[in-house]
Amino acid sequence: DVKVTQSSRYLVKRTGEKVFLECVQDMDHENMFWYRQDPGLGLRLIYFSYDVKMKEKGDIPEGYSVSREKKERFSLILESASTNQTSMYLCASSLGDRGNEQFFGPGTRLTVL
Amino acid sequence: GENVEQHPSTLSVQEGDSAVIKCTYSDSASNYFPWYKQELGKRPQLIIDIRSNVGEKKDQRIAVTLNKTAKHFSLHITETQPEDSAVYFCAASSHGGNNRLAFGKGNQVVVIP
Repeated sequence: DVKVTQSSRYLVKRTGEKVFLECVQDMDHENMFWYRQDPGLGLRLIYFSYDVKMKEKGDIPEGYSVSREKKERFSLILESASTNQTSMYLCASSLGDRGNEQFFGPGTRLTVL
Repeated sequence: GENVEQHPSTLSVQEGDSAVIKCTYSDSASNYFPWYKQELGKRPQLIIDIRSNVGEKKDQRIAVTLNKTAKHFSLHITETQPEDSAVYFCAASSHGGNNRLAFGKGNQVVVIP
């Protein structure tokens, strides 16, 4: 059974802080994804990675960076958190080829004050 | 890139009736179309998917149909039950071979007992 875990379910940070969101998967998946979920806007892709140390921008990468030093771990970094980054962040992983199921983590609800 | 639109945004149905959600996509090269269900407070989970070489796929009470010419695909839920109440997201495979998906904005389905 695929398991995708995220480091925190809830996180409260202050404007200007550097924030790290961690995601770990245990199924040796090549691909990992970070999405942001806001009401009425669906799931928007921030960044994804298809291999260790490889990354590609998604649809809304501004204000975010990522790191993938190990295959099982994908980190999302907010260099200087702002209030408009208050949101639900979802991590997902999948096998490498097109057409494979993406397995989601439980999400991290981030509030930036 | 791929653009997926989902209608209607909210759908209320009486228990036992059918529900249909329609999505349109823009990239004729997309060839994989999954549907995810997200119950309140939970992570999105894949419920059914279809590939472009198939016109219809069924799994118990749910089915998906694909019209490649018109570039739309639909989720059909028959004999709806209260546990079908959730947000449903459609998606389409985006460019490249790395399983990147473009998601619709989601459809809230409410099944009225």
